Amino acid sequence: GAVVSQHPSRVICKSGTSVKIECRSLDFQATTMFWYRQFPKQSLMLMATSNEGSKATYEQGVEKDKFLINHASLTLSTLTVTSAHPEDSSFYICSAENLGSGYTFGSGTRLTVV
Amino acid sequence: SQELEQSPQSLIVQEGKNLTINCTSSKTLYGLYWYKQKYGEGLIFLMMLQKGGEEKSHEKITAKLDEKKQQSSLHITASQPSHAGIYLCGADGQGAQKLVFGQGTRLTINP
Repeated sequence: GAVVSQHPSRVICKSGTSVKIECRSLDFQATTMFWYRQFPKQSLMLMATSNEGSKATYEQGVEKDKFLINHASLTLSTLTVTSAHPEDSSFYICSAENLGSGYTFGSGTRLTVV
Repeated sequence: SQELEQSPQSLIVQEGKNLTINCTSSKTLYGLYWYKQKYGEGLIFLMMLQKGGEEKSHEKITAKLDEKKQQSSLHITASQPSHAGIYLCGADGQGAQKLVFGQGTRLTINP
């Protein structure tokens, strides 16, 4: 079946630094990937839609300069949290659209900014 | 934008009992997805429904989409501890190509 690999699963970084999270579709090509954020005991909030070869589409209220998304190939999208602050600490999860089979999710990344 | 309302938000049932989780949309659903999540982990795909009146089952879990395609239910029969977790319904609108979620239902199974 379709598999999406997300890396790293956990990361701790210092305030002010940047962190990159990778999302790879392992056995299918994904022209569209999605990035979500999940706060404790809450649902997934869609942050942006990542389109291969073009700019990402951000949801209202999401800072595009803070959450940089790059989708340079059909199997890889990256989310970079720039100048991270403690309030950016959260669980980030990506998904890839597998045409005809729905959406496959990565295992998520727990980001802690100290 | 598509808004999904899930109920209940939290559910505690005794092992062996049946339960139902509902997902209601403010707009017509073109694709309705059910996922299960252990908090802090990825999502496990359960089922996808697209047609009005459609019903799918896998093991002890049955999902239905009503004829008007605005409400879906997830029913678990003879619940087990392994069913515990967060259940999320997600939907993508026509041509929207993005999946948005309800607020989730936290299910606890007591032995």
